[in-house]
Amino acid sequence: DIVITQDELSNPVTSGESVSISCRSSKSLLYKDGKTYLNWFLQRPGQSPQLLIYLMSTRASGVSDRFSGSGSGTDFTLEISRVKAEDVGVYYCQQLVEYPLTFGAGTKLELK
Amino acid sequence: EVKLVESGGGLVQPGGSLKLSCATSGFTFSDYYMYWVRQTPEKRLEWVAYISNGGGSTYYPDTVKGRFTISRDNAKNTLYLQMSRLKSEDTAMYYCARGDFDYWGQGTTLTVSS
Repeated sequence: DIVITQDELSNPVTSGESVSISCRSSKSLLYKDGKTYLNWFLQRPGQSPQLLIYLMSTRASGVSDRFSGSGSGTDFTLEISRVKAEDVGVYYCQQLVEYPLTFGAGTKLELK
Repeated sequence: EVKLVESGGGLVQPGGSLKLSCATSGFTFSDYYMYWVRQTPEKRLEWVAYISNGGGSTYYPDTVKGRFTISRDNAKNTLYLQMSRLKSEDTAMYYCARGDFDYWGQGTTLTVSS
């Protein structure tokens, strides 16, 4: 199975700052069609996960352009610019290149 | 408006069975493959089942294969998850999600305990 690793954020962030959240995969998520099958989700407290980014770098419908995804085949980054209170929650990455689909353990974003 | 509403969760003894439902609306259900995903008490997300839009293809992780069965009724716009031989480690919030994971339900809770 593909193992997805996410680090904890070291410190709470200040509203208005930018933050990067990392995700690593034990196997390349670049498929033979040239697409990289990685999703990013935000789960706000008390809510279901919400899709933010799919195919590593494409924002889902209605998602703020403050969110951007990038990476290579195995190392990925979610950048959040001008952090707001509404961005607080747990960020999960997920691989969809092969079954079983697997998620990272999540990275919690807190504000100071 | 796209909606997914799970139901059927509850408290079940180890070894027992339960069937979850996910009623959908606001989109053409038969056009989409669907998933069940669970979230453990430790907040880990785990994919548990996939079904193709016509229902002819299903996949499961080894942790539930042979115990869980995903199905759908396209006439009723409803997704199901039949769970049997339940274990304490199946305790979780169960979500249904539309094919691209772009819409999720609010979840239904399963607790497996004696």
